[in-house]
Amino acid sequence: QSALTQPASVSGSPGQSITISCTGTSSDIGAYDYVSWYQQYPTEAPKLIISDVANRPSGVSDRFSGSKSGNTASLTISGLQADDEADFYCASYTTSRTLVFGTGTTVTVL
Amino acid sequence: EQQLVESGGGLVQPGGSLRLSCAASGFSRVSFSEYWMHWVRQAPGKGLVWVSRIVGDGSSTSYADSVRGRFTVSRDNAKNTLYLEMRSLRGEDTGIYFCARGRAVGRFDLWGQGSLVTVSS
Repeated sequence: QSALTQPASVSGSPGQSITISCTGTSSDIGAYDYVSWYQQYPTEAPKLIISDVANRPSGVSDRFSGSKSGNTASLTISGLQADDEADFYCASYTTSRTLVFGTGTTVTVL
Repeated sequence: EQQLVESGGGLVQPGGSLRLSCAASGFSRVSFSEYWMHWVRQAPGKGLVWVSRIVGDGSSTSYADSVRGRFTVSRDNAKNTLYLEMRSLRGEDTGIYFCARGRAVGRFDLWGQGSLVTVSS
C-alpha cells in the first residue's frame, strides 16, 4: 500500500487560510468516507483534528475543516496562527482492510 | 485521565526480536476491551506509517505488508494492555512506535507517547 500524497510544505501569513491536499486512489480515499487528519508537533505524539472527512472532535478549533472530492481529501486551516506551525498527516481506510497515512505536510507561518 | 503508555523499546541487532507493550488507563465510560487498538511507527525524521490493528476481543488482526509474517499484535484485556511482538527485525524497522486507540477504520483519538526501537549492529 503506497502512502497517500501530500505536499511537503505549505506556508501562509497569520490570518490567512491554507489548504493541504491528500491524494489517494479509488482503493482508499475514493472508496470510503474514512479520512482523518492529524497534527503533530516535534517530539510529540500526533493529535486527531478531523475524522470521517469533515468531523471535528470535541475541543478542536473550528478553524480546521475537512472535505473530500473523488480520490482527494483536503484540510483547510483558516485564520492561520503561529501555533499552527506543525506537521499534518492525512490517513484513510483501504479496501484491503488496512490503513494508510499520507506523506506529511509541514506548515510554516510566515 | 485517559492515557496510553508504551514500553519495551530499545536497541536490538538485525534479525533479533523485541516485544512492545502499551498499557491503557483511565478508560472510564467505555472499557479498553471495546476499542480497536493500532500500532503506528515513525522512522527518524520521517512520516507516520500504520503497522497493525486488533479488534477489541482480539479475534481479528490486520498488518501492513512490510511487517506481515514478522510482527504479531495481541492484547490482554484483563491487564488493559496491548502488545506488539516483533521478530526478524531489520534496519528499516527502526523508529518510534506509537500505540493508538481507534476504530476499525481509523480515527485514532488517543495516542501514547511512543517507544523507540533501534535496529542496528
